Amino acid sequence: EIVLTQSPVTLSLSPGERATLSCRASQSVSMYLAWYQQRPGQAPRLLIYDASNRAAGIPARFSGSGSGTDFSLTISSLEPEDFAVYYCQVRTNWPPGYTFGQGTKLEIK
Amino acid sequence: EVQLVQSGAEVKKPGESLKISCETSGYIFTNSWVAWVRQVPGKGLEWMGLIYPGDSDTTYSPSFRGQVTISADDSIGTAYLQLNSLKASDSAIYYCARLRFTVLVPRSVPYGSFDSWGQGTLVTVSS
Repeated sequence: EIVLTQSPVTLSLSPGERATLSCRASQSVSMYLAWYQQRPGQAPRLLIYDASNRAAGIPARFSGSGSGTDFSLTISSLEPEDFAVYYCQVRTNWPPGYTFGQGTKLEIK
Repeated sequence: EVQLVQSGAEVKKPGESLKISCETSGYIFTNSWVAWVRQVPGKGLEWMGLIYPGDSDTTYSPSFRGQVTISADDSIGTAYLQLNSLKASDSAIYYCARLRFTVLVPRSVPYGSFDSWGQGTLVTVSS
C-alpha cells in the first residue's frame, strides 16, 4: 500500500513569497502524481496532474516537479487566494484505487 | 463546461440509509469514471470508490466496501452513492469527482486525477 507523506504540515508565508510543498511516496509512483488546492468551504480543485502538467485554467505561478518517490509543488509568488490546504494524490496498485496525502496548510504569516 | 451537481445536505438518524446523487453535464457520461471522496470536517480526503458508467464496473476502497454502494444511471447522466446503516462516524462531506485518466490498466483502475468536482454534500448523522 502506497503512503503519501506531505511536508510541512503547516507553512506560514507572506504574500509575494515563494512556497515549496513536498510530497513523498512510500514507493515509486513514476510520474503519476497530482496536486489539489482546497480553500475553506470549497471542493478540492485540480492544480497539477502527472507531476508537472498544469490543469486547465491554473495560473502559471503554480508548478510541479518530481518523479519516483519525491515530488514538489511550487507557487512562485503567493497571492492572497493561494492560502489554502494542498493535497497530493496517486493511484495505488494494491489495493487498486487512489490515495491522498494528509495535506499541507499554507497560511498567512 | 463540465459540471457535477450534488444533492443537498441531509440529516439522518443512526441506522438509516441515504442515497446521494451527482448529476453531470458537459461531457459524455459513459466515457469517464466518477469517484466518491469523503471528508470529515477539518480532516483530509479519503477515496471511497468509483464507477465506470459505460459498463457500471465499480471498484471500492477496502475501507468502504460493504458499507456503501456506488451506482449510475446513464440515461440521466447521474451517479449515486448509497450509505447504509449510518453511524455518527459517517457524518462528513461527500464529494463526487470525475476522473481524468492518463493510462488505462487492464482489469484495474486507471492512472489519473480528479479534474472536476461536485460541490459536496454534507451528511449529519445524529440521534
